[in-house]
Amino acid sequence: DAKTTQPNSMESNEEEPVHLPCNHSTISGTDYIHWYRQLPSQGPEYVIHGLTSNVNNRMASLAIAEDRKSSTLILHRATLRDAAVYYCIRGNAGNMLTFGGGTRLMVKP
Amino acid sequence: EAQVTQNPRYLITVTGKKLTVTCSQNMNHEYMSWYRQDPGLGLRQIYYSMNVEVTDKGDVPEGYKVSRKEKRNFPLILESPSPNQTSLYFCASSSQGEASKYEQYFGPGTRLTVT
Repeated sequence: DAKTTQPNSMESNEEEPVHLPCNHSTISGTDYIHWYRQLPSQGPEYVIHGLTSNVNNRMASLAIAEDRKSSTLILHRATLRDAAVYYCIRGNAGNMLTFGGGTRLMVKP
Repeated sequence: EAQVTQNPRYLITVTGKKLTVTCSQNMNHEYMSWYRQDPGLGLRQIYYSMNVEVTDKGDVPEGYKVSRKEKRNFPLILESPSPNQTSLYFCASSSQGEASKYEQYFGPGTRLTVT
């Protein structure tokens, strides 16, 4: 099963950190973990991805559990522009990304 | 500017009338892919291509055709569209054929309505 499990929605206050969880308990050793987000009326946008180690980029940080069965996307200071649906995806079978339902993040001013 | 472009952005057509949605990327990417997005079903992959002349089925290929004659273009063809193909379509590309290891760039989407 290539699916991941995420909460349907989360709320955050502006300028506070946000931790978006993802469960991927059946992940295999070679599956990458990707995060994308989709703002209203736009295509998905790449956020970050990783395999085993924690990863940081200008948009976010990705914390991967030691057993790789879960991960957390961290937005260090949420802004109103971060309101979007965030997808946690397993990069499986080498060539496909299977999107799940995602987490709708709402950011309150 | 590095980008994935799709045309048209909006299309209303009738059942059975063949149509093509074009996708083009200017990043010299090897991998290209088509997704459809439907309420409650999320994004589902239709077809993908790891390189020129190499295409493969995704999760929902029925009713669609693709071709990859040039690296930059990956058109989606609906030979005989039906109402259940009404959807929002996204094209994406990635620098390497093993797309699961690299970031994908998505186009702006094509909203198709089949009546």
